[in-house]
Amino acid sequence: GAVVSQHPSRVICKSGTSVKIECRSLDFQATTMFWYRQFPKKSLMLMATSNEGSKATYEQGVEKDKFLINHASLTLSTLTVTSAHPEDSSFYICSAEGAHSNTGELFFGEGSRLTVL
Amino acid sequence: AQSVTQLDSQVPVFEEAPVELRCNYSSSVSVYLFWYVQYPNQGLQLLLKYLSGSTLVKGINGFEAEFNKSQTSFHLRKPSVHISDTAEYFCAVTDTGGFKTIFGAGTRLFVKA
Repeated sequence: GAVVSQHPSRVICKSGTSVKIECRSLDFQATTMFWYRQFPKKSLMLMATSNEGSKATYEQGVEKDKFLINHASLTLSTLTVTSAHPEDSSFYICSAEGAHSNTGELFFGEGSRLTVL
Repeated sequence: AQSVTQLDSQVPVFEEAPVELRCNYSSSVSVYLFWYVQYPNQGLQLLLKYLSGSTLVKGINGFEAEFNKSQTSFHLRKPSVHISDTAEYFCAVTDTGGFKTIFGAGTRLFVKA
């Protein structure tokens, strides 16, 4: 089956530093990946859609200069939280669509919990 | 535009009892429907999906859901739950053309011994 892996699963950083989270499709090529943010006991909030080889499309209210997304290959997308602040602490999840998907089914990574001190 | 409403934020139920998690959606276009499950501190895992055909779809872990077009519903059911079913369940819809997925707010199923 389609497997998506996120790394790191947990990260703690100091305020003002930058953190990179990787999302990899292990056994399929993902032309489109999605990044979500999930607050405690809340649903997933779509942050941005990344397409391989092009700029990410950010949802309204998401700061593109703060949340840098790169999708340089068909198997890797990265989310960099720049100059992190405590309010950026959250659970970040990525998902991917298969290159030949025609159903919209998403394959999710395990999530990355970011804690900013 | 689509929207998804999960009517119950929390559903407590005793082990071996049946359960139904409700999901209603609205859309002006054709959609695909999904249920995903999220265990604590993990990503989401597909339970089942409705694309077309039979309105009753069966998924993993003994779950099933029925698509009701007239009521725009896609309720999830399981005849007998286990402690291990305790998790957050998300209903989602994707339009058949643009593939943008909209998630419901989630329902926390809590199975008690």
